[in-house]
Amino acid sequence: DAGVTQSPTHLIKTRGQHVTLRCSPISGHKSVSWYQQVLGQGPQFIFQYYEKEERGRGNFPDRFSARQFPNYSSELNVNALLLGDSALYLCASSVGLGSSPLHFGNGTRLTVT
Amino acid sequence: TQLLEQSPQFLSIQEGENLTVYCNSSSVFSSLQWYRQEPGEGPVLLVTVVTGGEVKKLKRLTFQFGDARKDSSLHITAAQPGDTGLYLCAGGNQDHSGGGADGLTFGKGTHLIIQP
Repeated sequence: DAGVTQSPTHLIKTRGQHVTLRCSPISGHKSVSWYQQVLGQGPQFIFQYYEKEERGRGNFPDRFSARQFPNYSSELNVNALLLGDSALYLCASSVGLGSSPLHFGNGTRLTVT
Repeated sequence: TQLLEQSPQFLSIQEGENLTVYCNSSSVFSSLQWYRQEPGEGPVLLVTVVTGGEVKKLKRLTFQFGDARKDSSLHITAAQPGDTGLYLCAGGNQDHSGGGADGLTFGKGTHLIIQP
């Protein structure tokens, strides 16, 4: 079975631009979470979606937004990119809420110049 | 704001040695998870502990959750080069999974290198 897939794997953007990152969860998983991992740090929670609804939001500015589609895939959008947005963006899926472990994808490496 | 501090940040030892890494917080967590992350990949869940004092074993890895559910340790016996990686601990405030509305709180990780 395919794991969590993320695209693109690498991306270079310029300050002020916007970016869309995509995530396909494991088949049968209905929850998707997004995390930002800056070099040398642990992942930091951005959003959690379940059944197309936002169920949790971390401490990130409104420039960050996300949505989940009927097929449970998800997009993370970041507007007005800053140099500090350079990071590995990780998507994780789980069967649902409750006692469902997270399965992470390999991430999208975003570089903002 | 809840924080998880991991120590040591870096550890390089010889194959066959034993080691322990620590994950500490001033806050109580409902659950504590350990992940291993290799370069270019996402974190992979190793174990979840939910009960104070709980001990879980995964082959040569032993995980313990502190009695007060504020800290945890990971002990590796007879380390192998394949154990090399970034070990992350993560605390959850709701249920046992993704942390609910607050997500998981991750530590900065311990970079472990096992030299052959």
